[in-house]
Amino acid sequence: ETGVTQTPRHLVMGMTNKKSLKCEQHLGHNAMYWYKQSAKKPLELMFVYNFKEQTENNSVPSRFSPECPNSSHLFLHLHTLQPEDSALYLCASSHNYDVAGRQETQYFGPGTRLLVL
Amino acid sequence: GEDVEQSLFLSVREGDSSVINCTYTDSSSTYLYWYKQEPGAGLQLLTYIFSNMDMKQDQRLTVLLNKKDKHLSLRIADTQTGDSAIYFCAERNYGGSQGNLIFGKGTKLSVKP
Repeated sequence: ETGVTQTPRHLVMGMTNKKSLKCEQHLGHNAMYWYKQSAKKPLELMFVYNFKEQTENNSVPSRFSPECPNSSHLFLHLHTLQPEDSALYLCASSHNYDVAGRQETQYFGPGTRLLVL
Repeated sequence: GEDVEQSLFLSVREGDSSVINCTYTDSSSTYLYWYKQEPGAGLQLLTYIFSNMDMKQDQRLTVLLNKKDKHLSLRIADTQTGDSAIYFCAERNYGGSQGNLIFGKGTKLSVKP
């Protein structure tokens, strides 16, 4: 099993659709993250969950709705997206969040390439 | 504020050494990371260095940190075509961003045979 998996790998959706991205980590980590990677821009942190509790929401529009049912799974529910939301969405996990030391090192999944038409 | 800067492109010949540079602004950075992203893939952690270290070597990779100048570099010895990818520098600090990673825009490394 690879450390962090994401499904689907590619997704095309219309602006009125509802879809969900899934992330699963097999590393026994307690913290999980959603990032957005747009062309020619630095990675943008969207959400952080630590022990299933949301600890960060970086002013993300409400059309993105995260869900963390347990420490191994993280979802990103999408509805009424805009074309500018097209990007690569990356999930990451770390042993702990906001704790000094190697436990904070983040490991990334392969990403979901999202295209909004 | 927090900012991480990298040059966008680097081109080298196979067998040469590659040096990818990064500068950061936050003096409270603790760990600094290098990630590699191959086309269509996620970010792969290559190596990291703690801010009280000057150098870290791991096989073909050498990381140099100049904390005074807030300058980080990644040297890849004997660069191969498989090293072609985008390399991201990232810093972690415990200032206003509560321990988040701050990424640069990435340096695209092209290796010519």
